[in-house]
Amino acid sequence: QKEVEQNSGPLSVPEGAIASLNCTYSDRGSQSFFWYRQYSGKSPELIMSIYSNGDKEDGRFTAQLNKASQYVSLLIRDSQPSDSATYLCAVTAGNTGKLIFGQGTTLQVKP
Amino acid sequence: DAMVIQNPRYQVTQFGKPVTLSCSQTLNHNVMYWYQQKSSQAPKLLFHYYDKDFNNEADTPDNFQSRRPNTSFCFLDIRSPGLGDAAMYLCATSDRDRGYEPQHFGDGTRLSIL
Repeated sequence: QKEVEQNSGPLSVPEGAIASLNCTYSDRGSQSFFWYRQYSGKSPELIMSIYSNGDKEDGRFTAQLNKASQYVSLLIRDSQPSDSATYLCAVTAGNTGKLIFGQGTTLQVKP
Repeated sequence: DAMVIQNPRYQVTQFGKPVTLSCSQTLNHNVMYWYQQKSSQAPKLLFHYYDKDFNNEADTPDNFQSRRPNTSFCFLDIRSPGLGDAAMYLCATSDRDRGYEPQHFGDGTRLSIL
């Protein structure tokens, strides 16, 4: 059973702090890794994609990938109350293109 | 803007009454996916189309069917909805010929069963 594991949280951080979200996956054949943000009652919105080991930065967001450890993380710098949402980690099942989602981590940013 | 559009946003149906949810896309992507997401759970893939090739997940109930009449449109049919089928239904697309670039989701349809 291919799995993606996330801590469901909630993760609570003060405004302006760095939020660190973590994800592990079991399928060594996974090629692509994504972070989606989902506000309550809304659909998932892609915020980061990463395909190779290392860091990828986009504005306040940094994704980190370590394929040897089967570990993906998302850092949110200068967290804002508007970042409060559930963050879904998703990885491709081998090279099929199908996504396996984690349960999501709920982030609360307190003013 | 190119996008994935789902209709309706909210759907209420009666127990056992067939219902159809609609998805259209202007991205010209060759893969379309249907997910079911229940409260506080991860999206669960029901099936997907690569062009006209239909791919059903092993644990998708027979009660769920899908049609893709052309590249732009895909439908989810629930033949006899039960109370357990109340959920958010998400349509997503991707382009297999570009190495499965990230899936783009529509706004979803919230289905309620009376």
